[in-house]
Amino acid sequence: GQNIDQPTEMTATEGAIVQINCTYQTSGFNGLFWYQQHAGEAPTFLSYNVLDGLEEKGRFSSFLSRSKGYSYLLLKELQMKDSASYLCAVRDSNYQLIWGAGTKLIIKP
Amino acid sequence: IAGITQAPTSQILAAGRRMTLRCTQDMRHNAMYWYRQDLGLGLRLIHYSNTAGTTGKGEVPDGYSVSRANTDDFPLTLASAVPSQTSVYFCASSEFPSSSAGTDTQYFGPGTRLTVL
Repeated sequence: GQNIDQPTEMTATEGAIVQINCTYQTSGFNGLFWYQQHAGEAPTFLSYNVLDGLEEKGRFSSFLSRSKGYSYLLLKELQMKDSASYLCAVRDSNYQLIWGAGTKLIIKP
Repeated sequence: IAGITQAPTSQILAAGRRMTLRCTQDMRHNAMYWYRQDLGLGLRLIHYSNTAGTTGKGEVPDGYSVSRANTDDFPLTLASAVPSQTSVYFCASSEFPSSSAGTDTQYFGPGTRLTVL
């Protein structure tokens, strides 16, 4: 079966750095996405990785290792508004997105 | 309208009733999707449409039907609602059909919170 694993919840301090991990086992791989979802709102796109390595976009970076079936999302200089759930999704061989359950990130002052 | 709209925002429905969730996008995207999101589970694809006039089944299609008569609208119908269909339903769209690769981002509507009693 297909599986995306992420930690259920993480806590971090304002101004700090946090790394959210995602491991996947899917039938094929055609890219990995990270989305942010604030409580009661729709998911919004953060980043996309298809090749191994790091993609940086402002305070957010995403890393991919296809051989290890592993990705992480790195958030720097955390702000209170970063409190949200972070969803990892893999596009499989059928070009459908398989979603993890999401990691709820709690930011404390 | 800007982006994707969904209606209603929320609904309480008696089991056995028929219900249609509406979804409209104004981005002229080719592909549209319906997901359900349940606590502790990832988003699960119900149905999708790569272009107007075509639809396909996702991971959890049973009990749901869709149509895609034009580019903008993609309604989801529950023919006879059951309590297990209580969920938050998200409609999404992307520029290219799901069979394409690349950074084809899915954009989500605000969701419909459905409770079936």
